[in-house]
Amino acid sequence: QQQVKQSPQSLIVQKGGIPIINCAYENTAFDYFPWYQQFPGKGPALLIAIRPDVSEKKEGRFTISFNKSAKQFSLHIMDSQPGDSATYFCAASMAAGNKLTFGGGTRVLVKP
Amino acid sequence: DAGVIQSPRHEVTEMGQEVTLRCKPISGHNSLFWYRQTMMRGLELLIYFNNNVPIDDSGMPEDRFSAKMPNASFSTLKIQPSEPRDSAVYFCASSFFGGNNEQFFGPGTRLTVL
Repeated sequence: QQQVKQSPQSLIVQKGGIPIINCAYENTAFDYFPWYQQFPGKGPALLIAIRPDVSEKKEGRFTISFNKSAKQFSLHIMDSQPGDSATYFCAASMAAGNKLTFGGGTRVLVKP
Repeated sequence: DAGVIQSPRHEVTEMGQEVTLRCKPISGHNSLFWYRQTMMRGLELLIYFNNNVPIDDSGMPEDRFSAKMPNASFSTLKIQPSEPRDSAVYFCASSFFGGNNEQFFGPGTRLTVL
C-alpha cells in the first residue's frame, strides 16, 4: 500500500515559473519529510527536508510547505531554471527508524 | 571523499543467469539500502540493513532475490535466476542511523535481462 501519494506525475513550466509538487501521507507517525532530486543517469540526492514542528522551510529557490492537519506537504521551485529539470521525489520516515517511504516521483521540465 | 560506490554500472545478461550487484557504502555509515527503480513502479525499497543486520526485506520481490552485508563496507544483491522483468536500475544508498536520516545514493546499476 502506497503511504505517500505524489502529484502530478509530470509538469512543464516556462523559465521563471513556479512548479508546485504535492504529497499526501497517511501514517501520522511520520515526522521527517525530505525531497530528493534526481537527474537522468544519476541517483537521487537530498534537496531539502522538513520536520512537522514548522510549516515552511526555504533553501535558496526551493520551499517546502507543510500542513500537519491535512497530512500534506508540497515543494515550490521559485524562479525555475532549465537546470532544475529533473525528477523530484517526496518521502517520509518515522523518528524511530530510518526507512524512507518515497512518493511516485514528478518529472519537471523547465523550458527556456 | 568518495560517495557510495556501485558496480557494475551496466549489466546485460540472459534470462536464467545469476546476477550479482555490489555496493560499497560511505565510510562511517551504518545503514545500507537497496532500491529498484522502474518507470512502472517508481523507486521501491527492496531491503535495508542497520549495522550489517537485515532489518526489513519485505520489499524483496521473491526468493530469486537475496542480499548480504558481510561487513560494514560491502553489500551484494543477487538475483538467481534472472528474468526479463527484473530489468531496472538498482540503487544502493547509505546513511548514518541516528543522524538526520539523509540517505546518500550511489550512481546505480542498470540491469538488462534479455
